[in-house]
Amino acid sequence: GAVVSQHPSWVICKSGTSVKIECRSLDFQATTMFWYRQFPKQSLMLMATSNEGSKATYEQGVEKDKFLINHASLTLSTLTVTSAHPEDSSFYICSARGDGGGYGYTFGSGTRLTVV
Amino acid sequence: EDQVTQSPEALRLQEGESSSLNCSYTVSGLRGLFWYRQDPGKGPEFLFTLYSAGEEKEKERLKATLTKKESFLHITAPKPEDSATYLCAGPAGNNRLAFGKGNQVVVIP
Repeated sequence: GAVVSQHPSWVICKSGTSVKIECRSLDFQATTMFWYRQFPKQSLMLMATSNEGSKATYEQGVEKDKFLINHASLTLSTLTVTSAHPEDSSFYICSARGDGGGYGYTFGSGTRLTVV
Repeated sequence: EDQVTQSPEALRLQEGESSSLNCSYTVSGLRGLFWYRQDPGKGPEFLFTLYSAGEEKEKERLKATLTKKESFLHITAPKPEDSATYLCAGPAGNNRLAFGKGNQVVVIP
């Protein structure tokens, strides 16, 4: 089945630094990738949608300059949290959808970001 | 606005005590409803996709059903390993998914 690998699983960074999270589709080409944020005991909040070779589409209220998304290839998307602050601490999850028809969305294992 | 609502928010079951989780939606032109399982600190794991009213799908102790307005996830004779948060999602345009808040299920041995 479709597998999405997300790294790192967890990261701790100092306030003001930037952190990059990678999302890879291992056995299929992901024409569209999605980035979500999840707070404790809350559901997934979609941050942005990215298509390979195009600029990401951000949901209302998500700062484009803080959350930089790059989808440079059909198997890799990255989320960079720039100038991170403690309020950016959260669980970030990526999802990928292939171009094989149907509505298959496969999720990565998530990244726990803690900003200190 | 497309909405997905799940109930109950939390559920404690004794091992073997069957129950059902509800997902109601106001998604126009529904093109598939998804159920996922999420364990703490992990990403959602795909369970089922349902496309049309009357459709049913099963996997081990789980059975998902779909009507025109809602979906149910039935858990039959649950075991402690079925403890998780179950998420329901519907398409929300532009290939996006709209998630409900989830049903947090705890199965007590």
